[in-house]
Amino acid sequence: DAGITQSPRHKVTETGTPVTLRCHQTENHRYMYWYRQDPGHGLRLIHYSYGVKDTDKGEVSDGYSVSRSKTEDFLLTLESATSSQTSVYFCAISEMNTEAFFGQGTRLTVV
Amino acid sequence: AQSVSQHNHHVILSEAASLELGCNYSYGGTVNLFWYVQYPGQHLQLLLKYFSGDPLVKGIKGFEAEFIKSKFSFNLRKPSVQWSDTAEYFCAVVGSGSARQLTFGSGTQLTVLP
Repeated sequence: DAGITQSPRHKVTETGTPVTLRCHQTENHRYMYWYRQDPGHGLRLIHYSYGVKDTDKGEVSDGYSVSRSKTEDFLLTLESATSSQTSVYFCAISEMNTEAFFGQGTRLTVV
Repeated sequence: AQSVSQHNHHVILSEAASLELGCNYSYGGTVNLFWYVQYPGQHLQLLLKYFSGDPLVKGIKGFEAEFIKSKFSFNLRKPSVQWSDTAEYFCAVVGSGSARQLTFGSGTQLTVLP
């Protein structure tokens, strides 16, 4: 498996609290992605990065922000968590001529 | 904006039946195409990929897919499914631009009955 670590793997948080999910890679891949997976919706892109400090929004970016200050780390922040953000979050990495490799996922529950 | 459509949301087959899952995409330029599989409780794993060359791509576990550029399609096929193929299948596309936004379809749940 590609060297991708997501942390935490599980988290329960209260509505209105900030939450940060971390994706760490050891592959030195340029591209990193955050997705959320919900039944019936597949994987929806939240934000992605095409280099250090280079990020862009995906189709469901409202309520989320990201940062990438170094190649290996891509952070996803929920500024004020809501119940609609309860989901499974996946990080992925890729290079220009490779497929994407996925992390194990983070199950986030907002109560 | 690019998008991916998977028309079959849930497919139920008996073992040894043939499989074809549809995937259509919209994008105005050159694309790379992928099929991923997700077994219950696991992350996505690559089945096969198309970057260029022969439009008929062979992947793992006997799966194959055909890229038809004129139809913007990349359908997944397997001649004879097994119970162990029960999983969710996702088609994905990435455009040729430098940003490489990777977009997934909504997935097809395949159930294979023994």
